[in-house]
Amino acid sequence: DIQMTQSPSFLSASVGDRVTINCKASQNINKYLNWYQQKLGEAPKRLIYNTNNLQTGIPSRFSGSGSGTDYTLTISSLQPEDFATYFCLQHNSFPDTFGAGTKLELK
Amino acid sequence: QVQLKESGPVLVQASETLSLTCTVSGFSLTNYGVIWVRQPPGKGLEWMGIIWRNGNTDYNSALKSRLSINRDTSKSQVFLKMNSLQTDDTAIYYCTRGSAATPDYWGQGVMVTVSS
Repeated sequence: DIQMTQSPSFLSASVGDRVTINCKASQNINKYLNWYQQKLGEAPKRLIYNTNNLQTGIPSRFSGSGSGTDYTLTISSLQPEDFATYFCLQHNSFPDTFGAGTKLELK
Repeated sequence: QVQLKESGPVLVQASETLSLTCTVSGFSLTNYGVIWVRQPPGKGLEWMGIIWRNGNTDYNSALKSRLSINRDTSKSQVFLKMNSLQTDDTAIYYCTRGSAATPDYWGQGVMVTVSS
């Protein structure tokens, strides 16, 4: 199975900050990388699919980039509602595998 | 709108079988697959298996011998059964809609505790 190494595990930031979260795959995943947001007690929400495609209804401050084994989620200007846990998912190779998650907290 | 909701027992005895139901609305099971994912407390997410829109299934090889996924399209329900439960099967179990075989919409999950 492909291993997904997500970093950082925890991130403290302030409203208005620009933040980046990274996922590194153990092999090339050909841009088949999604990003999800999960708030406590809520269902996870897909933000971005296939590296850089914004899910309908997701604000444009969220963006994704990457190729090969290295991928990044960027939030350009943090809003209060963005403090949550984020995780990545690769779906290039069966079975899909997930990053361990990044908890984004208010500084 | 698209919704998925998991239901089933919250406490199961070790060695018994877990049966969960995912009831969906806002889409047809003949147009989308449904994927089951679980997350043990304090651990990462694990992809368990998928029932494709044509009814075929694929399973994570780590669970394949214990897991089955079925559906009733008339009731918009997908069923997960996993036998020989152990305490490390304690987890939140999610069903998700599979769009191009990758999760887009998720249910809120159901916490299942396996008791020894």
